[in-house]
Amino acid sequence: GQQVMQIPQYQHVQEGEDFTTYCNSSTTLSNIQWYKQRPGGHPVFLIQLVKSGEVKKQKRLTFQFGEAKKNSSLHITATQTTDVGTYFCAGPRQGGSEKLVFGKGMKLTVNP
Amino acid sequence: KAGVTQTPRYLIKTRGQQVTLSCSPISGHRSVSWYQQTPGQGLQFLFEYFSETQRNKGNFPGRFSGRQFSNSRSEMNVSTLELGDSALYLCASSLDRGIGGYTFGSGTRLTVV
Repeated sequence: GQQVMQIPQYQHVQEGEDFTTYCNSSTTLSNIQWYKQRPGGHPVFLIQLVKSGEVKKQKRLTFQFGEAKKNSSLHITATQTTDVGTYFCAGPRQGGSEKLVFGKGMKLTVNP
Repeated sequence: KAGVTQTPRYLIKTRGQQVTLSCSPISGHRSVSWYQQTPGQGLQFLFEYFSETQRNKGNFPGRFSGRQFSNSRSEMNVSTLELGDSALYLCASSLDRGIGGYTFGSGTRLTVV
């Protein structure tokens, strides 16, 4: 079945650092979505990318969808303590059902 | 506008019992999906409903069932509870097929003892 893998699973950074996290799917996706879940909270929708090679920015967050629509990346610049949480990518298989398959998430901790 | 509402927030049940969880989607959202979240397995898809019809189903046993009403509100039921069913159950709604992303509720924390 469709699998979505996120690397790394854990990321610990110093406040102010930049970093990138990656999401890889075993199948081509019709779109990729990113969610953030704060400790004790629920996933909150961040962004949806639909086109091959698409890049979108949200303040310090930059999201990219791969050319083959099988991978995505999230780059955070100047990390802040408010960025703490688990970031999930998710996507439905292109041409398949719209069932959203989530990666296991990337847990971010920030050292102030 | 009001978000996705899930009730109850917390639930403690005994093995063998059954449980019903409720979800009220955002007004105008007709698609409702259910997920089980555990530390070990992450977010796993249970099922999705649209216009009162189950459109997709995950790989869960038949003890897990759901339905959607004409007002788009949804319920999920778990019968013959097992210890392994302890999890956070999340409901998410969208306009249709995840267009614009899914909005999640706060979840129901189910503990089976």
